Formats: sequence, C-alpha cells, structure tokens
Amino acid sequence: NAGVTQTPKFQVLKTGQSMTLQCAQDMNHEYMSWYRQDPGMGLRLIHYSVGAGITDQGEVPNGYNVSRSTTEDFPLRLLSAAPSQTSVYFCASSDLRGYTFGSGTRLTVV
Amino acid sequence: QQQVKQSPQSLIVQKGGISIINCAYENTAFDYFPWYQQFPGKGPALLIAIRPDVSEKKEGRFTISFNKSAKQFSLHIMDSQPGDSATYFCAASIKTSYDKVIFGPGTSLSVIP
Repeated sequence: NAGVTQTPKFQVLKTGQSMTLQCAQDMNHEYMSWYRQDPGMGLRLIHYSVGAGITDQGEVPNGYNVSRSTTEDFPLRLLSAAPSQTSVYFCASSDLRGYTFGSGTRLTVV
Repeated sequence: QQQVKQSPQSLIVQKGGISIINCAYENTAFDYFPWYQQFPGKGPALLIAIRPDVSEKKEGRFTISFNKSAKQFSLHIMDSQPGDSATYFCAASIKTSYDKVIFGPGTSLSVIP
C-alpha cells in the first residue's frame, strides 16, 4: 500500500510562475492537509479538507489554493510563486489514530 | 491556548544514553498526544501516542510519560542509538475530532557514537 504519494519531489520555479503540487492517498481517509516546513518553524498548516468538496484555510493560506474533488486527491496550487514560498511541502491524510505524511516536495523559488 | 511548547530545540546524546524531550500544552480539551519522528529528506511518521487516561506508554525503547495535572508529556528514548538521530515532533489533538492536530516546533536529536 502506497499511503500518501506526493509529486514532484523537487521543483525550481521562477518568481511569478504558477504550479500544482500533487497529493494522492489510497487509505480512504476523509481528512487531508497541506503543511509547509521551514527551518526553526516546525510544521505550519496551509489548507485542509475534511472530505470531498470541503476545504478550509489553515495558519498560512495566502498564496495557495486547494480543491478536493475526490477522496483520494488533494492538490495544492501556487498562484504566483514568491521567494517566501521556498520551503518543503508535506501532504498528509489522517484517521483517528494519527497522520500519514507524504515524502515531501522541496520547492525553490528564484 | 492552542500552542504546544517543546524543548529542547536540539539535543545531543551519547550512544546508549537516555534522550528526553518535553512538551507542554494549555488546552485541556486535548485528549490525544502523538509523537512523530522525521528523518532527513522524509516526511514525519507516527512513532507512539498516548491518551490522558494513562500516565505512561511504552513501545520498545520509546516511552511517553504523561502528567495530566501539569499538562506536560515527554518522550524518553532508552539506550539511544545513532539510528534514532532524527527530528521529533510532539503533538496534541482532540481524538474525536481528528483534524487540525497542533504540532510542537520539533527537537533535533543527534546520537553520537
């Protein structure tokens, strides 16, 4: 079982470009979320979803969009990339026992 | 009131020693306290978790101690090994509401030979 799959693993963007980070889970979890991880800042919640068609903002949502058309997929869109969005992005899905994280996407915006 | 505090920020332990990481919370509604382990280049992975109706939970060399009155909990790694070198995150959540877990800022553990 794959768990949570994130693509791509690495990405370099120019300022102003847009892109979509993909996330898919095969555990039939209702809850999915996106975090960014920066040195010394821990994990910060960007957006989350409690089921298909339902999304909400987390702690640091500005500059990001999400949608949840299926239970399995939860893509994160960067609308106009900025250097401040250079980070490692983790997608996670959850059941009552805890979170399962993907392996991350390392994004650099130049 | 939603914050989870974690200390120390970094920790160096000799092989065979005990690693101790401490966390504290404010919200008394939290009733589920997981710990996550993250190796470099990987996502965090659930390591061990505890509910506040028990004061201690042990899985192998990893033990969570929980002090409900002090609103504190800690992770003890016995006989620490170089393979335990990782970042550890404590977290708190409301178990019946499985979304929006609150993570601590993380502790970077290095176990030296």
